[in-house]
Amino acid sequence: DAGITQSPRHKVTETGTPVTLRCHQTENHRYMYWYRQDPGHGLRLIHYSYGVKDTDKGEVSDGYSVSRSKTEDFLLTLESATSSQTSVYFCASQGGSNQPQHFGDGTRLSIL
Amino acid sequence: GDSVTQMEGPVTLSEEAFLTINCTYTATGYPSLFWYVQYPGEGLQLLLKATKADDKGSNKGFEATYRKETTSFHLEKGSVQVSDSAVYFCALSDRTNFGNEKLTFGTGTRLTIIP
Repeated sequence: DAGITQSPRHKVTETGTPVTLRCHQTENHRYMYWYRQDPGHGLRLIHYSYGVKDTDKGEVSDGYSVSRSKTEDFLLTLESATSSQTSVYFCASQGGSNQPQHFGDGTRLSIL
Repeated sequence: GDSVTQMEGPVTLSEEAFLTINCTYTATGYPSLFWYVQYPGEGLQLLLKATKADDKGSNKGFEATYRKETTSFHLEKGSVQVSDSAVYFCALSDRTNFGNEKLTFGTGTRLTIIP
């Protein structure tokens, strides 16, 4: 399976603090994605990247920013966390347009 | 916009029972359709896909047929096992201008198989 590592796996923080989640892939995949998973909503796309320094917004991008300075790393930042951003966050990578997305094991984030 | 509607769960079946999980979609154009599976504590894994009308995707005994006339992609398995217990997500793709495909997911259906 594609080597995708998310860190941290669990995090608890307070409202108003900045939070950065990291996604690292070892497959040299071009495309990377950040999703959030919430009960009753399935997975929803936050942002995605189509190359180094190239990103675009997804369905639920408000309150989130991303950066991709290297092919292998895709960072998701919550500049000022809110309780509504409590969720499980999944990263995925994809080698080409007709290849499947490969998912990490998720980060459980709780904002108190 | 695009959307996916999945059968509400949870679904509980006995081992060796027949499984159907319904999925319908709304989309402009001609999306590819997918079923993903999520085991406890893990990320999603692609189970099967179909890229055009009347295509049948299959894997590990699961099947789904892309029905354009009914905008459906129902997941079926003839004889389920305890190891099939998981959450199943139906999804469709929307191609971007950058060559990749964004996925829109249904809400997921939790399946539990009882021995």
